[in-house]
Amino acid sequence: QSVLTQPPSVSGAPGQGVTISCTGSDSNIGAGYDVHWYRQLPGTAPRLLIYDNTNRPSGVPDRFSGSKSGTSASLAITGLQAEDEADYYCQSFDSSLSGSRVFGTGTTVTVL
Amino acid sequence: QSQLQQSGPGLVRASETLSLTCTVSAGSITSRSYHWAWIRQLPGKGLEWIGSVYYSGSAYYNPSLKRRVTLSVDTSKNQFSLKLRSVTAADTAIYFCARETGVTWFDPWGQGTLVSVSS
Repeated sequence: QSVLTQPPSVSGAPGQGVTISCTGSDSNIGAGYDVHWYRQLPGTAPRLLIYDNTNRPSGVPDRFSGSKSGTSASLAITGLQAEDEADYYCQSFDSSLSGSRVFGTGTTVTVL
Repeated sequence: QSQLQQSGPGLVRASETLSLTCTVSAGSITSRSYHWAWIRQLPGKGLEWIGSVYYSGSAYYNPSLKRRVTLSVDTSKNQFSLKLRSVTAADTAIYFCARETGVTWFDPWGQGTLVSVSS
């Protein structure tokens, strides 16, 4: 039921940067609803990485940044580290689905 | 900072009801700033929002699960609960509870409970 589309995988060498896109529509991101990002390490619960499009919770390094434009949002990771290998999910709200919170399809980041 | 601790069985028979509880510590479940949510992750798949409940009992559900789900809150125990009726093998998943700030982001999350549905 994912209405937010992410690339299945992205990869980069240590120290490099990657960007993960999150594409929605006029009933979610395009309607002005905020986008949030989570990182899920293998075998653990997701952890909030970015909230309200661009904000980092306390403890999240500034290597992580978020942006939003039109019907899409992006998560950028700079200075890739081995510990960044994980699954990343975007999340927003969709007005066409009766109060539904919606997640992206998820992206696996591989550090080469 | 609230912490969430999940409890409940890891095995449920098909056609029966899946029941999980999430206990909130270091914070009150009656805070007006939060909803309390359940999210699941099917094996090898992404995240699926099940529903969110306010301390008053007012709840929002994923339309695809709405017919079978009930969320509730026990303010005396600082707990909230999930009941999913008539489960099938397709409901086998890791179930997470989480605190939802307003109607926005989820943080923190519970540790997750793998629930398998047996035939």
